[in-house]
Amino acid sequence: GAVVSQHPSWVICKSGTSVKIECRSLDFQATTMFWYRQFPKQSLMLMATSNEGSKATYEQGVEKDKFLINHASLTLSTLTVTSAHPEDSSFYICSARDKGLAVWDEQFFGPGTRLTVL
Amino acid sequence: GQQVMQIPQYQHVQEGEDFTTYCNSSTTLSNIQWYKQRPGGHPVFLIQLVKSGEVKKQKRLTFQFGEAKKNSSLHITATQTTDVGTYFCASRSGTYKYIFGTGTRLKVLA
Repeated sequence: GAVVSQHPSWVICKSGTSVKIECRSLDFQATTMFWYRQFPKQSLMLMATSNEGSKATYEQGVEKDKFLINHASLTLSTLTVTSAHPEDSSFYICSARDKGLAVWDEQFFGPGTRLTVL
Repeated sequence: GQQVMQIPQYQHVQEGEDFTTYCNSSTTLSNIQWYKQRPGGHPVFLIQLVKSGEVKKQKRLTFQFGEAKKNSSLHITATQTTDVGTYFCASRSGTYKYIFGTGTRLKVLA
């Protein structure tokens, strides 16, 4: 099956620093990737839709200047949390759609990145 | 915007008992997907329903899509400890993106 990786799996950083999270589709091409944030014991909240070769589409309430998304290729999307603060601590999960599949098909999720900002 | 509510929020069952989670929307859904997330893990796709009144089975799991396409359910027969986790429904919103339900956390007591 389709595999999506994320790196790093966890990161601890100081307040004010920036953190980059990578999301890669390992065995398929993904024209569209999604970035979610999940707080403990809560649901997945869609942050943005990342499209290869174009600007990301952010959900209402998500600051695009704080959460920078770059979908540089058909297999890689990055999320950079700029000037991170403790309230940004969360579980960040990406997912990807297989370019070759119809719109009805599943998203393949990465294993997630746990960010802790001190 | 589109919201998908799930009930119950939590469910503790004795191993061997059945379990059902419900997904409800105020608007008609184009489709419904179900995911399972184990503690500390990421969501794993279970199934997708598209047609009104559709019923699909996977071993002990039965998925239903309502006739009006506004609700869905996941039923697990004779739960096992391996069923522990949070079950999310998700529905397509717009072209490609999906909105996730609030989730039901299942705990199975041995």
